[in-house]
Amino acid sequence: QQQVKQSPQSLIVQKGGISIINCAYENTAFDYFPWYQQFPGKGPALLIAIRPDVSEKKEGRFTISFNKSAKQFSLHIMDSQPGDSATYFCAASRAGNQFYFGTGTSLTVIP
Amino acid sequence: NAGVMQNPRHLVRRRGQEARLRCSPVKGHSHVYWYRQLPEEGLKFMVYLQKENIIDESGMPKERFSAEFPKEGPSILRIQQVVRGDSAAYFCASSPHHGATEAFFGQGTRLTVV
Repeated sequence: QQQVKQSPQSLIVQKGGISIINCAYENTAFDYFPWYQQFPGKGPALLIAIRPDVSEKKEGRFTISFNKSAKQFSLHIMDSQPGDSATYFCAASRAGNQFYFGTGTSLTVIP
Repeated sequence: NAGVMQNPRHLVRRRGQEARLRCSPVKGHSHVYWYRQLPEEGLKFMVYLQKENIIDESGMPKERFSAEFPKEGPSILRIQQVVRGDSAAYFCASSPHHGATEAFFGQGTRLTVV
């Protein structure tokens, strides 16, 4: 059973555009929702994270929107750049235990 | 994530051999997680260890797989009698203590079984 569902599987965005990736979760006990960025041949790197008591968190061009009632959260990348081309994973965890990852979104930003 | 060191980066094993994957966590971190990533898929949890203890091994296959995190030295993920289906990228992550939310990932070990 997939605890965290992620969409779309792949995304192509023009340079300067907005990239939006969505995730939904089932377990209301989750209390930490990170996004990881992964380049080919590399390990996942934490990009930004949010807790359920906050509806939005912004760090530079990256914003997480969180909807607790809908059990959904999304990543918005503003002014997308070719260097943002990577695979993005959403995840959820409870009390510092294992992460449940989405299946990933391959983002391509074209010049 | 630069602090988590995994080796080897690439490992090739013939069917039936043993694979040993090593993970040195960030200095001062006492909790280690192992994940497996198949091509075009997300990361799947395997095991969560604290030094000298297995906290959660619910994601570990029942046979052939084992993990340890000794008091001294790196964490080891051991796969006995490897099969082609074990080919994947194996990632280790570490955190400073139980309940810490942020985990730092290593660059992974890519296991190929031929």
